Amino acid sequence: DIQMTQSPSSLSASVGDRVTITCRASEDISTFLNWYRQKPGKAPEVLIFGASTLQRGVPSRFSGSGSGTEFTLTISSLQPEDFSSYYCQQSFSTLFTFGPGTKVDFK
Amino acid sequence: EVHLVESGGALVQPGRSLRLSCIASGFTFAETGMSWVRQAPGKGLEWVSFIRTEAYGATTEYAGSVRDRFTISRDDSKSTAYLQMNRLTIEDTAIYYCTRVSPDGAGSYIFDNWGQGTLVTVSS
Repeated sequence: DIQMTQSPSSLSASVGDRVTITCRASEDISTFLNWYRQKPGKAPEVLIFGASTLQRGVPSRFSGSGSGTEFTLTISSLQPEDFSSYYCQQSFSTLFTFGPGTKVDFK
Repeated sequence: EVHLVESGGALVQPGRSLRLSCIASGFTFAETGMSWVRQAPGKGLEWVSFIRTEAYGATTEYAGSVRDRFTISRDDSKSTAYLQMNRLTIEDTAIYYCTRVSPDGAGSYIFDNWGQGTLVTVSS
């Protein structure tokens, strides 16, 4: 199975900060990489698919990049609702796997 | 509007069985793959299982941790997906989410709608 890792596992930031999260795959997954945000106590929601395509309705402060084995999620200006956990997921294989998550909390 | 509503979560003893249901509305269920994802208390997301549409034989996939114990199925006449869980262990304790699996337009999939989850607690 394809293994996913994320860094950092947690970070502290303030409203307005630029935040970057990295995701790595154990093998080449092209651009079959999705990002999800999970607000506390809520179900996850998809932010980005295909490594860089913004899901409908997702604010433009979110962006994704990368291919192969290394990917990044960037939030250009952190908003209060962004203090959440973020997960990458590979969809190259239908044995879908998630990264361990990155928790973004208040500095 | 898409709605996914899970049910069937409960407190169950180790070694017992449980069946979860996910009733879908707001889209053509028969044309959509479905998946189950779980989240243990305070932990991250773990993909559990995936079922394709009948057009693709309703073929299934499982995470290694549940293969041979869990079975995903679907009843398109009821717009419902199921997860039959057998030989449950304490490590299966989690919130179980049902998700819609949609094509991403590039040959892969995204989990674009999620239910609110149902809690399964395995304890003696």
